[in-house]
Amino acid sequence: LAKTTQPISMDSYEGQEVNITCSHNNIATNDYITWYQQFPSQGPRFIIQGYKTKVTNEVASLFIPADRKSSTLSLPRVSLSDTAVYYCLVGNNAGNMLTFGGGTRLMVKP
Amino acid sequence: GAGVSQTPSNKVTEKGKYVELRCDPISGHTALYWYRQSLGQGPEFLIYFQGTGAADDSGLPNDRFFAVRPEGSVSTLKIQRTERGDSAVYLCASSLTGDRDYTYGYTFGSGTRLTVV
Repeated sequence: LAKTTQPISMDSYEGQEVNITCSHNNIATNDYITWYQQFPSQGPRFIIQGYKTKVTNEVASLFIPADRKSSTLSLPRVSLSDTAVYYCLVGNNAGNMLTFGGGTRLMVKP
Repeated sequence: GAGVSQTPSNKVTEKGKYVELRCDPISGHTALYWYRQSLGQGPEFLIYFQGTGAADDSGLPNDRFFAVRPEGSVSTLKIQRTERGDSAVYLCASSLTGDRDYTYGYTFGSGTRLTVV
């Protein structure tokens, strides 16, 4: 399974755009990149997934360069409620289970 | 149900005791997963069920841990002779079929916080 590396923590202010970058140098050809969000006392929540280029949904955007060795989760105009831990995962159908790293703790300040 | 339900939400037990943690997945989801999360760390995979059978139990730390899913719905994680190091949040997740659902994500419950004193 490809290992991921992401910053341990980040601070931001309300209304700013936040970009969290994840490195996955050993990503396999059939691997997807998935991001989960976890609030305190809750389980992780799927937010976005992509394979290449750019994916956007109502919550976030995911940018993946051509070499796919990294990816960037972009949260537009964050609010205090976006304070959470964000996990980057890399894998495919064959593995079935998810492998989480340490995640990035995002703190949004007023 | 509307989501994955885990009971109890909190459990305090004495070292050496036996505990059972319950997971009620989303109705119709055939795949069920158990994870363990220690403070400040990401969730760690324990076991994966496809229907009634354990398709992958490679994450169970030792033979004190056991899980069942007898009717392919509710699952119970059982821990014998609990140790203080077992203290963690135990998370359950489910997905529709498992094999091809990676692209749709997994739905997690809120977890059971186990404290062994």
